[in-house]
Amino acid sequence: GAVVSQHPSWVICKSGTSVKIECRSLDFQATTMFWYRQFPKQSLMLMATSNEGSKATYEQGVEKDKFLINHASLTLSTLTVTSAHPEDSSFYICSALIDTQYFGPGTRLTVL
Amino acid sequence: AQSVAQPEDQVNVAEGNPLTVKCTYSVSGNPYLFWYVQYPNRGLQFLLKYITGDNLVKGSYGFEAEFNKSQTSFHLKKPSALVSDSALYFCAVRDPTGGGNKLTFGTGTQLKVEL
Repeated sequence: GAVVSQHPSWVICKSGTSVKIECRSLDFQATTMFWYRQFPKQSLMLMATSNEGSKATYEQGVEKDKFLINHASLTLSTLTVTSAHPEDSSFYICSALIDTQYFGPGTRLTVL
Repeated sequence: AQSVAQPEDQVNVAEGNPLTVKCTYSVSGNPYLFWYVQYPNRGLQFLLKYITGDNLVKGSYGFEAEFNKSQTSFHLKKPSALVSDSALYFCAVRDPTGGGNKLTFGTGTQLKVEL
């Protein structure tokens, strides 16, 4: 139980394009999901808290207009990186909350 | 504000020997504590958590952790390490009174188990 999936697992895009990452809770419903960013050999940095049916709460320093989050259903949250640039290249991980946060397998984004 | 410290960047242990990965925390209220493991290019897998009750918590894959309030520690342990335990381990804390559902992660400890 408590399986979270992410799609795609990796994506390469050109600078200036937008990329959408999906996070799904497969066997449970999650009112709250989280989006993290992880740089190589570093810890996870919380980007935003995604609440179903309402606006996401962004952490300080995270650009809302650049990282668009939508949580339209109890099993799906999406993160869209708009006008991506090479510095946005990173490993993006989502989690879904029931009693504990359960994490997806991550999405490797490379912006050329 | 809540914080977590993992003082060791890397821990090396021989297969079959006991292992310990250290974690200390700081919160204003009673902590919820977690251990996660991450294999290369993968997300985090939940190992165990402490919310309340018995200070010794048993989790997945033979891991356990002991909550020590006086030392504000939550060290991860396993009696006999396996090569397959080699991975990156994260300790995390949640302060239910002040931090809501947010987790604060430590910087991670790379565990290397050698034959």
